[in-house]
Amino acid sequence: GESVGLHLPTLSVQEGDNSIINCAYSNSASDYFIWYKQESGKGPQFIIDIRSNMDKRQGQRVTVLLNKTVKHLSLQIAATQPGDSAVYFCAESLPRTGANSKLTFGKGITLSVRP
Amino acid sequence: GAVVSQHPSRVICKSGTSVKIECRSLDFQATTMFWYRQFPKQSLMLMATSNEGSKATYEQGVEKDKFLINHASLTLSTLTVTSAHPEDSSFYICSASRGFHQETQYFGPGTRLLVL
Repeated sequence: GESVGLHLPTLSVQEGDNSIINCAYSNSASDYFIWYKQESGKGPQFIIDIRSNMDKRQGQRVTVLLNKTVKHLSLQIAATQPGDSAVYFCAESLPRTGANSKLTFGKGITLSVRP
Repeated sequence: GAVVSQHPSRVICKSGTSVKIECRSLDFQATTMFWYRQFPKQSLMLMATSNEGSKATYEQGVEKDKFLINHASLTLSTLTVTSAHPEDSSFYICSASRGFHQETQYFGPGTRLLVL
């Protein structure tokens, strides 16, 4: 079936640097995407989302970029802090009518921030 | 806000017993709730989707008689693992969304189940 995958399993960055986490999705029909952050032993925490009618969306210290041409999603974190260390998941959703929307999660990438 | 709670956060039970996990949306009404299972260092696997007052929709391969889901109100869904076995040990996470279609899912903190 269709799946969402991440390019790299781990990412190590220096505190203060910018982080870029990439995600490739395979279903071109997906039109809603979310990034979640999961700390050890906790549930996923919503970071930012984007719909397919946009190619960029900014939040506080985070930016999500969507390239539908190559089916690529990225999460940029500015001035990475130790508290950003976690596993990050991208998730995609297909448009549905008359039924619940489901999220398909990628495999996850670990972000490790070096002090 | 969009706060989702789960109870208990951790449970240890004997093989053959049943365990109930509660999921509550604390500050919003959840049209839809979802139950996921997560193994160590793996992604989230959707088990079932439930709407208030309706039967849950289970994903392929998930036994509905094994994992009973009840969505009695717009703020509460429960997952009961019946006749638990060691292979049911896992991290169970619920999420809730306000809308019916493509709304953001907000996750609970998860429940760690260990079956001895």
